[in-house]
Amino acid sequence: ETGVTQSPTHLIKTRGQQVTLRCSSQSGHNTVSWYQQALGQGPQFIFQYYREEENGRGNFPPRFSGLQFPNYSSELNVNALELDDSALYLCASSSLTSGPSNEQFFGPGTRLTVL
Amino acid sequence: GQSLEQPSEVTAVEGAIVQINCTYQTSGFYGLSWYQQHDGGAPTFLSYNALDGLEETGRFSSFLSRSDSYGYLLLQELQMKDSASYFCAVFNAGNMLTFGGGTRLMVKP
Repeated sequence: ETGVTQSPTHLIKTRGQQVTLRCSSQSGHNTVSWYQQALGQGPQFIFQYYREEENGRGNFPPRFSGLQFPNYSSELNVNALELDDSALYLCASSSLTSGPSNEQFFGPGTRLTVL
Repeated sequence: GQSLEQPSEVTAVEGAIVQINCTYQTSGFYGLSWYQQHDGGAPTFLSYNALDGLEETGRFSSFLSRSDSYGYLLLQELQMKDSASYFCAVFNAGNMLTFGGGTRLMVKP
């Protein structure tokens, strides 16, 4: 069974640029969630995708957008990068049919630095 | 809105028992989860409580009181490898998992 993978592991961008982060979900999972984790804080929910449709969204502006593909992999796109976007971006996969716990399996994250 | 409160830091010695408390305010509550995150690592799932009471999984136990909007994670027989950050998280309507700020646990010899 393959775990959740993310790419790239690290990324440096400048203000105003755009970035795309990628995530491959765990085998058998049909749901992907994205989180932003600033240093020393808990993960903040950005959005969730289920069967290629956005299935829930946190308090993030529209410049944060995403996609889910038929193989359940996913992308997070951030436009017009700001300094405050510097964070660890975590992807988590789960299955809505796996029971009430909604246990989420996290990838190792992408560390984004905006200069 | 959603909010969760947990202590920022806890220190304990090897072999001891430690309890990490979490209080929450949320709408559409489904359940309370706990995650562990080592420095530089990904969060990993520890437990989930949807109903009142205690759930035990090995050295770790988690408790929930829905009427008090309160839960805790109990770690027994502490080991050095338990040094990590622990997050409570509320699962609610909208398929959102809202995390607390985390409790950094330091286990000393």
